[in-house]
Amino acid sequence: GENVEQHPSTLSVQEGDSAVIKCTYSDSASNYFPWYKQELGKRPQLIIDIRSNVGEKKDQRIAVTLNKTAKHFSLHITETQPEDSAVYFCAASTGGYQKVTFGTGTKLQVIP
Amino acid sequence: SAVISQKPSRDICQRGTSLTIQCQVDSQVTMMFWYRQQPGQSLTLIATANQGSEATYESGFVIDKFPISRPNLTFSTLTVSNMSPEDSSIYLCSVENNNYGYTFGSGTRLTVV
Repeated sequence: GENVEQHPSTLSVQEGDSAVIKCTYSDSASNYFPWYKQELGKRPQLIIDIRSNVGEKKDQRIAVTLNKTAKHFSLHITETQPEDSAVYFCAASTGGYQKVTFGTGTKLQVIP
Repeated sequence: SAVISQKPSRDICQRGTSLTIQCQVDSQVTMMFWYRQQPGQSLTLIATANQGSEATYESGFVIDKFPISRPNLTFSTLTVSNMSPEDSSIYLCSVENNNYGYTFGSGTRLTVV
């Protein structure tokens, strides 16, 4: 089955700096890669996703890149703000109503 | 995107008892997924529920412990049976939203004492 590894497990950045979270996956059939943000005590919320036919996707301060050959994808947050502090999960799926496998999570702390 | 109502939001249960968690979706969905999230951990898939057939369980999870019902395309239940303190966790349901990714219910925080 699919295995998703995520690094780092914790990340502290100064407000205004950039944050990068990296993930690798094992199943070459995976073609859908969502990223979730989970604030304390709340449900995971989709913040951005990318499909295998695209190498990069950007939404305001958030961007995701995908390297299918190397089987890795990354989340980039620029101009970080204190409200970006949360746990971020990467995930991989073959899509088509198939299950999603989550990474282990990265706790991001943005220091004002 | 789909909106999921999950209940109860939290419960404290005695060991040896069972708890049934419900998820109601505001639209018809093919698959519903049940996850467990232990404190400070990632989400682990328990099973996938397809309407009209038995749920498919992941390794380490069995139907006797986590029976699932999926009576129609908008509703599913997960029962945590014969609970022990190790079952204390957050349980979440999830559905796929076509091109909008996967949406989660608000979660059920279970404490077994």
